[in-house]
Amino acid sequence: EDQVTQSPEALRLQEGESSSLNCSYTVSGLRGLFWYRQDPGKGPEFLFTLYSAGEEKEKERLKATLTKKESFLHITAPKPEDSATYLCAAASGGSYIPTFGRGTSLIVHP
Amino acid sequence: SAVISQKPSRDICQRGTSLTIQCQVDSQVTMMFWYRQQPGQSLTLIATANQGSEATYESGFVIDKFPISRPNLTFSTLTVSNMSPEDSSIYLCSVEGKGGAGNEQFFGPGTRLTVL
Repeated sequence: EDQVTQSPEALRLQEGESSSLNCSYTVSGLRGLFWYRQDPGKGPEFLFTLYSAGEEKEKERLKATLTKKESFLHITAPKPEDSATYLCAAASGGSYIPTFGRGTSLIVHP
Repeated sequence: SAVISQKPSRDICQRGTSLTIQCQVDSQVTMMFWYRQQPGQSLTLIATANQGSEATYESGFVIDKFPISRPNLTFSTLTVSNMSPEDSSIYLCSVEGKGGAGNEQFFGPGTRLTVL
């Protein structure tokens, strides 16, 4: 059974304090690893897709990396507007439907 | 990415009643997906809806409780039937991305349902 575990559940940072969110996955033949951002009262917003170990993607202050067992979402010099829940999902080779983690709730204080 | 709208955005319903949620996409898509997101939980897939065929339900979800319609390539509805407080949740529809970016999904804004 595919599993995706995110840590920590919640993270509080000061503005400018860089950190990383973790996503550990167990899937049969990874087809894609996805990161989403979800603001309160809204649907998840797609950020990145990673396909193979060693791959990296960047968008503004966010950088996603992938190994064979986990993915990291690095947040460099975060701002209060980066506050949101970040979701990770993994799709296996046997299914086009990704398995989602529970998310990390990030709060960035000014 | 597709632009997806949902109606209603939120509702408060009485136990035993039913609510139909609408999902509209701005482009034609083959598959549409319905998810449930309960507080503190991950997104759980309810069913996959293909135009012109019966929806495919995931384990733990049945058609009598969550009937789905897919009358065309841009629209779908999910009905939550005979509701109980345990059905209180956010319901999301989504579609697959295009352009070779893999199986990423794009989500609507969600419908927040509270059952009293």
